[in-house]
Amino acid sequence: DGGITQSPKYLFRKEGQNVTLSCEQNLNHDAMYWYRQDPGQGLRLIYYSQIVNDFQKGDIAEGYSVSREKKESFPLTVTSAQKNPTAFYLCASSFGWDTQYFGPGTRLTVL
Amino acid sequence: ELKVEQNPLFLSMQEGKNYTIYCNYSTTSDRLYWYRQDPGKSLESLFVLLSNGAVKQEGRLMASLDTKARLSTLHITAAVHDLSATYFCAVDSNTDKLIFGTGTRLQVFP
Repeated sequence: DGGITQSPKYLFRKEGQNVTLSCEQNLNHDAMYWYRQDPGQGLRLIYYSQIVNDFQKGDIAEGYSVSREKKESFPLTVTSAQKNPTAFYLCASSFGWDTQYFGPGTRLTVL
Repeated sequence: ELKVEQNPLFLSMQEGKNYTIYCNYSTTSDRLYWYRQDPGKSLESLFVLLSNGAVKQEGRLMASLDTKARLSTLHITAAVHDLSATYFCAVDSNTDKLIFGTGTRLQVFP
């Protein structure tokens, strides 16, 4: 069963804490993406990666970090430098410039 | 910088009626996508439009692209309640990124 998985579904973060969101895909896609969605808003790109061991900043990368050590995995770390991290985080993947397919999302809340 | 605007932002329509959602974008692009999002859920791909004059249809939804006018439309025919969702267009910026519109929240009522 091919697809994109994200975990956890819900995540709570305390002030000053780093947290990592998982994104895994078994679609053999080269490209992977992280987006942030705030209530009633569109999606904003955080980071993206076209190939393993390479990634680029999106429009709102400050306070976030990523790694791409394996083709299947693209974890996102929300650092304490991100002052307003409460949002819905969506991971996506694609073959090159083809349609992006999205995972189910992680809802992050700051306590 | 590519900007993508959708209108209307909110649409409440009666079952059985027709309506159109508009997606305008500010610079040349070769690809445009339409996605659907149900409340609290992820995005589901609906259509990809790759060339001027492209038209795609699936059930009661039809999407078209006019690259000269930098405009895409998503037409809803004889709306049903199951179409209630938020619809996003996304435009390829030609710089490795998709730029999303703010979405159109559609509510279909009896």
